[in-house]
Amino acid sequence: EPEVTQTPSHQVTQMGQEVILRCVPISNHLYFYWYRQILGQKVEFLVSFYNNEISEKSEIFDDQFSVERPDGSNFTLKIRSTKLEDSAMYFCASSESPSGAQYFGPGTRLLVL
Amino acid sequence: GESVGLHLPTLSVQEGDNSIINCAYSNSASDYFIWYKQESGKGPQFIIDIRSNMDKRQGQRVTVLLNKTVKHLSLQIAATQPGDSAVYFCAENMRQGGKLIFGQGTELSVKP
Repeated sequence: EPEVTQTPSHQVTQMGQEVILRCVPISNHLYFYWYRQILGQKVEFLVSFYNNEISEKSEIFDDQFSVERPDGSNFTLKIRSTKLEDSAMYFCASSESPSGAQYFGPGTRLLVL
Repeated sequence: GESVGLHLPTLSVQEGDNSIINCAYSNSASDYFIWYKQESGKGPQFIIDIRSNMDKRQGQRVTVLLNKTVKHLSLQIAATQPGDSAVYFCAENMRQGGKLIFGQGTELSVKP
């Protein structure tokens, strides 16, 4: 069964450092998303991406965040200068259409010290 | 406004009983809803979805009911098993760009 994969599973970084979180969406999906979940809280939308463009982004997704599809399989989230409050689980998701089921990856646990 | 919430933060049931998890949403224009299961340390796992032109949808041991009049969604799990123990989230699909709005989650605990 196809699934979304994410690397790394865990990332520890110092405040102010750049991190890149990687995702491989399901191969025939065209819509990609990043969400985050702070410990004990609900899952929050960050950004949606289609046809090499951001479709929608939340208030959380400020200038420190960027997304990219560098090749035909990977989808990345970059945080340029991490802050303590960026510590969270980051989930990638993909779907066949914007109104279809979104399938999530296992997440990357980011800890900013 | 954008708001998807759950009535109960925790639910404890006996193995073999049926479970009902509830969710309220506030955006009457939303047309697609998804239930996810999240086990500890894992990503949300798709369980079942329903579109606003339906009021009931059944899967394997799960049923989702949608009441648009009172903006209420429920997930019914038949013959609950220990493996069903997890946090369950409802999510509302905002059609523009596919953004999902998640509720707070209900933790389901199944007692043997």
